[in-house]
Amino acid sequence: NAGVMQNPRHLVRRRGQEARLRCSPMKGHSHVYWYRQLPEEGLKFMVYLQKENIIDESGMPKERFSAEFPKEGPSILRIQQVVRGDSAAYFCASSPSSTEAFFGQGTRLTVV
Amino acid sequence: DQQVKQNSPSLSVQEGRISILNCDYTNSMFDYFLWYKKYPAEGPTFLISISSIKDKNEDGRFTVFLNKSAKHLSLHIVPSQPGDSAVYFCAASAGMGQKLVFGQGTRLTINP
Repeated sequence: NAGVMQNPRHLVRRRGQEARLRCSPMKGHSHVYWYRQLPEEGLKFMVYLQKENIIDESGMPKERFSAEFPKEGPSILRIQQVVRGDSAAYFCASSPSSTEAFFGQGTRLTVV
Repeated sequence: DQQVKQNSPSLSVQEGRISILNCDYTNSMFDYFLWYKKYPAEGPTFLISISSIKDKNEDGRFTVFLNKSAKHLSLHIVPSQPGDSAVYFCAASAGMGQKLVFGQGTRLTINP
């Protein structure tokens, strides 16, 4: 049973471009969480999704950020018009509806 | 509003001794607590958890203690080993399937 798969592992974008981060949850897991870790900081909750539904997006910035978890395919975190402050490690976690969440390796986004 | 706090950014312990990592929380709705371990450039790895109906949970060298009245939990690692050197995050949730709220992390270094 493969773990949570995130791709790409590293992503470089110029200011103003779009960034798309993908997350494939563990098999049988229908709950997906996205977290962001800025340098020297802890993990900050962004959004919690179930299949085709956003359950809690209280941690998402109001503009430029969106997330989806379609019926088929991976969860996508999309950042439009990236700025330098978006540079961070983005982690996805999945859960089978219990409380333990299992994390992927993360995507390190660098905005130049 | 930091609902989960790890007040020690770093901790150094000699190999073979006990490591004690501390975590405080403010939200009385939290009823499930977890510890994660994180190596550089990797995602957090689940270590151990505890429900609010318990005050202790043990798994091998790892024991988590929960003091609900003080809103405090701690992770004890004994004996500490070099491979335990990592950043440790405590996390809390307000129920099954709810988002995890993380502390800032404590960097543990085990010295030979």
